Amino acid sequence: DTGVSQDPRHKITKRGQNVTFRCDPISEHNRLYWYRQTLGQGPEFLTYFQNEAQLEKSRLLSDRFSAERPKGSFSTLEIQRTEQGDSAMYLCASSLGLRNQETQYFGPGTRLLVL
Amino acid sequence: AQTVTQSQPEMSVQEAETVTLSCTYDTSESDYYLFWYKQPPSRQMILVIRQEAYKQQNATENRFSVNFQKAAKSFSLKISDSQLGDAAMYFCAYRSRDDMRFGAGTRLTVKP
Repeated sequence: DTGVSQDPRHKITKRGQNVTFRCDPISEHNRLYWYRQTLGQGPEFLTYFQNEAQLEKSRLLSDRFSAERPKGSFSTLEIQRTEQGDSAMYLCASSLGLRNQETQYFGPGTRLLVL
Repeated sequence: AQTVTQSQPEMSVQEAETVTLSCTYDTSESDYYLFWYKQPPSRQMILVIRQEAYKQQNATENRFSVNFQKAAKSFSLKISDSQLGDAAMYFCAYRSRDDMRFGAGTRLTVKP
């Protein structure tokens, strides 16, 4: 197993453009999480999926943000009409989702810079 | 809302010595998990150690151990025999059924 992967690793875009990030979790993990991390801060929870169902969304996730996990495997996070404040590292993590297996395994992140 | 507080933005330790990183949290839940994650510079976050709140015994993983004080809502990380490779940002994290929060992190420097 290669762990959690994210694509792209870096993205530079102009304000107002749309961007989409992809996350591939560890294959047997049924939970998938998205976080945002700004410089010098800890990750902030955005949303998570149990299989294909989006179970929780943070208030941080404005209407410009949407996430999907159509077949319960990979997930995409789309940001529409990007703003400079969206510049951050976007982290994906996955877990088995069982009571005694709540450890989340993180991907390398996608670093977004909005000019 | 649940909060996780790491009161030490930066810590420094001499190689081979022991260092303790502090973490406190606020919750009204009785069932939750606590974690310490390590994020080396420009590298991905990895789990160091975890603790289930229903377990009274403190978790240990080789040179890493925790001091979990449930009543005080404290969850400190002790690193023994510090190594140069331990230098990183360390994040304390809290997970309940409905919430997942991280602290702001402690930057650990290891001096040779």
